[in-house]
Amino acid sequence: QVQLVQSGAEVKKPGAAVKLYCKTSGYTFSGYYVHWVRQAPGQGLEWMGMINPNGGSADYAQKFQGRVTMARDTSTTTVYMELTSLKSEDTAVYYCTRAAGTRTGCFQHWGQGTLVTVSS
Amino acid sequence: DIRMTQSPSSLSASVGDRVTITCQASQDINNFLNWYQQKPGQAPKILIYDVSNLETGVPSRFSGSGSGTDFTFTITSLQPEDIANYYCQQYHRLPLTFGGGTKVEIK
Repeated sequence: QVQLVQSGAEVKKPGAAVKLYCKTSGYTFSGYYVHWVRQAPGQGLEWMGMINPNGGSADYAQKFQGRVTMARDTSTTTVYMELTSLKSEDTAVYYCTRAAGTRTGCFQHWGQGTLVTVSS
Repeated sequence: DIRMTQSPSSLSASVGDRVTITCQASQDINNFLNWYQQKPGQAPKILIYDVSNLETGVPSRFSGSGSGTDFTFTITSLQPEDIANYYCQQYHRLPLTFGGGTKVEIK
């Protein structure tokens, strides 16, 4: 079955960077876009960007341009997301989510989420 | 960016009630509209894609309708396990955007 397993919780200081990973299994890795969506405490969902594992091209929300990088490792079927210059407002649960085939913007399968806490 | 305006932000209804949530897009999104359910402490789950298509395994009491810029999500008979936050989401254009969410509670 399709699984996305995310890395564990992180605590970072302002200005630092965090790199999260999303280990996928149960499907053809190169066939489905993977997105990152975050959720600040008590808030709604926010799309950060997506990566096409077939080739590795990525698109990012303007809000995160210059601070976010998404990459993939086809040998381990893992997707990574690095966010730099962290601020307290980046404290959130970060989800990776796999799209539904040709419906590249439908989030069909989700990881369990990773809590990132940014605090001095 | 396409703004998704969802209402109400919260509602309280009795078991068995019909519940309706609306979502308005700031421009025509060509029916690229999905609905998600998120229970406390869990990742979201897709319920409906492309306005009205039920995801596999989702109970038939959930439904969606609409077109253009105005969309509706309905639970025909609210059940205790439906207590959650619900979000609409468009994927017509990047950046992908969500509505602000609707918290559904039992009266």
